[in-house]
Amino acid sequence: QVQLQESGPGLVEPSGTLSLTCVVSGDSVSSDYWWTWVRQPPGKGLEWIGEKHHTLSAAYHPSFKGRVTILIDKSKNQFSLNLNSMTAADTAVYYCGRAPGGYYACDSWGQGTLVTVSS
Amino acid sequence: EIVLTQSPATLSLSPGERATLSCRASQSVSRSEHLAWLQQKPGQAPRLLIFGASNRATGIPDRFSGSGSGTDFTLTISTLEPEDFAVYYCQLYLGPPPKYTFGQGTKLEIK
Repeated sequence: QVQLQESGPGLVEPSGTLSLTCVVSGDSVSSDYWWTWVRQPPGKGLEWIGEKHHTLSAAYHPSFKGRVTILIDKSKNQFSLNLNSMTAADTAVYYCGRAPGGYYACDSWGQGTLVTVSS
Repeated sequence: EIVLTQSPATLSLSPGERATLSCRASQSVSRSEHLAWLQQKPGQAPRLLIFGASNRATGIPDRFSGSGSGTDFTLTISTLEPEDFAVYYCQLYLGPPPKYTFGQGTKLEIK
């Protein structure tokens, strides 16, 4: 049974950089999955940020391009999200997920971590 | 870019009733395999219910079913259980290159 666990700061200053990690247990980040980040502003819907397969380049939603990076660390069996130039609009619950090839959706999710952008 | 519109925004039903949730795409979806449905309860992560428009994810009860093609997709819950009251999202793959969009959600509430 795969488990995903997000970790990172709950508070980021405006113009700062968010760095989140998703630790994967019960599976390998070198398996055939797309490791994914999705966020949800308080009281709002879901927003896809991007994904990465261990053999391919990361893909990002155009609205984040230029300020987002998703990396995989095989040695630690985890993947990460870096989002810079943070503003209040980036305040959200950030989820990591695992999307099997051919599913076009995440079949496993972390519990989510709330990130607030504020000084 | 394709936009997903879910209806109704809120659906009020009682346990034991049948629920029909709609997800309409602004353009025809080339491959139905790209459409998924998720359930989200308050304070919880989303949960995958249906992938490929009509395939139940692992562990999902058979009262959940998905159908549709082109621009119109439907999630049906045949007989509502108390634990089914939640927000439901449809999700669509728009790539290549990889990109996804979500509908705005339908809140299924107890009448």
